[in-house]
Amino acid sequence: DIQMTQSPSSLSASVGDRVTITCRASQSISSYLNWYQQKPGEAPKLLIYAASSLQSGVPSRFSGSGSGTDFTLTISSLQPEDFATYYCQQSYRTVLTFGGGTKVEIK
Amino acid sequence: QVHLVESGGGVVQPGRSLRLSCAASGFIFSRDDMHWVRQTQGKGLEWVAVISSDGSDKKYADSVKGRFTISRDNSKNTLYLQMNSLTAEDTAFYHCAKDFGFSVELQGVFDIWGQGTMVTVSS
Repeated sequence: DIQMTQSPSSLSASVGDRVTITCRASQSISSYLNWYQQKPGEAPKLLIYAASSLQSGVPSRFSGSGSGTDFTLTISSLQPEDFATYYCQQSYRTVLTFGGGTKVEIK
Repeated sequence: QVHLVESGGGVVQPGRSLRLSCAASGFIFSRDDMHWVRQTQGKGLEWVAVISSDGSDKKYADSVKGRFTISRDNSKNTLYLQMNSLTAEDTAFYHCAKDFGFSVELQGVFDIWGQGTMVTVSS
């Protein structure tokens, strides 16, 4: 199975900060990389698919980049509603796998 | 509005069985592949199984193969997960999720998730 490694596992940031989360795949997955946001008690929500495509209704402060094995999720200006846990996921292979998550907390 | 609502979770003894359901609304259920994904504090998110839109093709994670069966009833807009021979390792929140599937490149992307139903395997 393809292993997905996210870093950092958690971070503290302030409203207005630029935040970057990294995801690395154990083998090349082309651009088959997706990002989800999950708030406590809620279901995960799709933010970015195919590495850089913004899901409908997601604010433009979220962006994704990368291909091959290294990917990045960027929040250009952190808002109060963005404090959550973020997960990457590869859809390159039938056995779909997720990163361990990055918890974004208030500084 | 698109909704997925899971039910059927609970506390079950090791070795016993449980069937989860996922009721879908707000989209044409019979057109989309559907998944089960489980979530634990310790192991995070783990994909469990997928079923094609017409139910003819099913795939499973190795951890559940031979014990779990995914199925669907398109006339009832409902997805199921039959779980047999449960162990403590199966304790998790179980989410159903809709496959984006807009194109081949978007298969395996989860565009809608349910909130989940908790399964606890304990004696």
